Formats: sequence, C-alpha cells, structure tokens
Amino acid sequence: DAMVIQNPRYQVTQFGKPVTLSCSQTLNHNVMYWYQQKSSQAPKLLFHYYDKDFNNEADTPDNFQSRRPNTSFCFLDIRSPGLGDAAMYLCATSRDTGLGSGGPGGIYEQYFGPGTRLTVT
Amino acid sequence: AQSVTQLGSHVSVSEGALVLLRCNYSSSVPPYLFWYVQYPNQGLQLLLKYTTGATLVKGINGFEAEFKKSETSFHLTKPSAHMSDAAEYFCAVSAWMGGSQGNLIFGKGTKLSVKP
Repeated sequence: DAMVIQNPRYQVTQFGKPVTLSCSQTLNHNVMYWYQQKSSQAPKLLFHYYDKDFNNEADTPDNFQSRRPNTSFCFLDIRSPGLGDAAMYLCATSRDTGLGSGGPGGIYEQYFGPGTRLTVT
Repeated sequence: AQSVTQLGSHVSVSEGALVLLRCNYSSSVPPYLFWYVQYPNQGLQLLLKYTTGATLVKGINGFEAEFKKSETSFHLTKPSAHMSDAAEYFCAVSAWMGGSQGNLIFGKGTKLSVKP
C-alpha cells in the first residue's frame, strides 16, 4: 500500500543535541509537510516543500531546518533541541497544492504519517 | 485569515448514542473544510471534506458533516457511536488564496470518549 512512513516512531534526545527525524513516502507526491503537535494541541505547520522549493512558515524557529534530497524523502533537523521542542512531529504529503483535479472541488488531500514522538531530556 | 473553533475539548457519549462534534470557522474567502481523526500515537486520517457543491458531506466510518454558511459551521455527526470511535477529532479550514492553496489551519481538537 502507498503510504507515508516516519522513522523512528519514538526519539529521545538530550537538551542541545542535534536530532534528525525522517519521513518517506511511496505516494510520489510533490508536496511534503512537517507539522509540530504538542500535547493536547492542534498540529502546527512548520514548513513544506513543493518539489524542491522550500516554504518556511513565518513563525517557525531557526532551530528547525528541513532537507528534501529527493521526491521520496524529507528530513526534519532540530539543531539544538530545547525542552519546549518535545512534541509529536507529523509528516504529511499531498499530490499538489492549489485548485486542480485533486478530486471533487479540486482540493488536494494531505496524507499523514504516524508521527515521531520526540522527548528531550 | 482563517481560523477554526471547536466547542468542547472533551465530549463523552454512550455507545449507540448520537455523536455531535462542533466546529465553527472564520474565513474571508470561501473555505474548504475538513475533519480529521487521530487515534493515540498515530497520525491524522481524513474523515471527510467539504470543497464545493453539496453541503452535506458523508465520510468514512459513518460520519457526516454539514456546511452551513449562514452559521459558519461544519459540525460532525454520527447517528450511533461505537467504541472504536473513541479518538481525537480535528476540524480544519483551508482557503483558496488565488496564488496557491492555503495551508490547513486546525482547531484545537475534541477528544471523544465512548462509554459502554
């Protein structure tokens, strides 16, 4: 089955120690997103890639970076994790952005991975 | 700018009872509206979406939602709750901004508990 895969599912890192979270997709989608979801809160978009074009949300801290070496993979790098960065990190993909033939009404659905729960000690 | 308000952070129903999860949105342009479900330690799964056309939208697992423009609402319902419906539900809005699809803006979520 085509899907969005996130590794690892659980990650523990130390305060200030760089960490990388991985996302891969077999859907061949153009767009890949990273969301941060803190406990009992809504997912918050950090950034997304449209193909190789990187789109950063205005309020995403510089501590968070991303790489997309090819269509299938996207990485989230946290350069110096703080205690406040402990959260669930969700990767999502969509075939495209904008109106088009993505289905009735022409909106492209986002498909989410299972998430990586990050603990900072 | 778009925003979503979900009324009630926690809703509890008995098995077999009606499920009603409330969502109100704010959007300066015609919105696209979504309901997602999240089971513990899992990602989000799309239940249903409204883009254009019929205002009553049917989704997976017996859920449906009705877009009411006059009330700026998109409440999620299911006639008869099942134990497996216990999860967290997120309402989200997106809007066509002319240049590109607007990002998904999520509500804070409603945790649904189902009592036997």
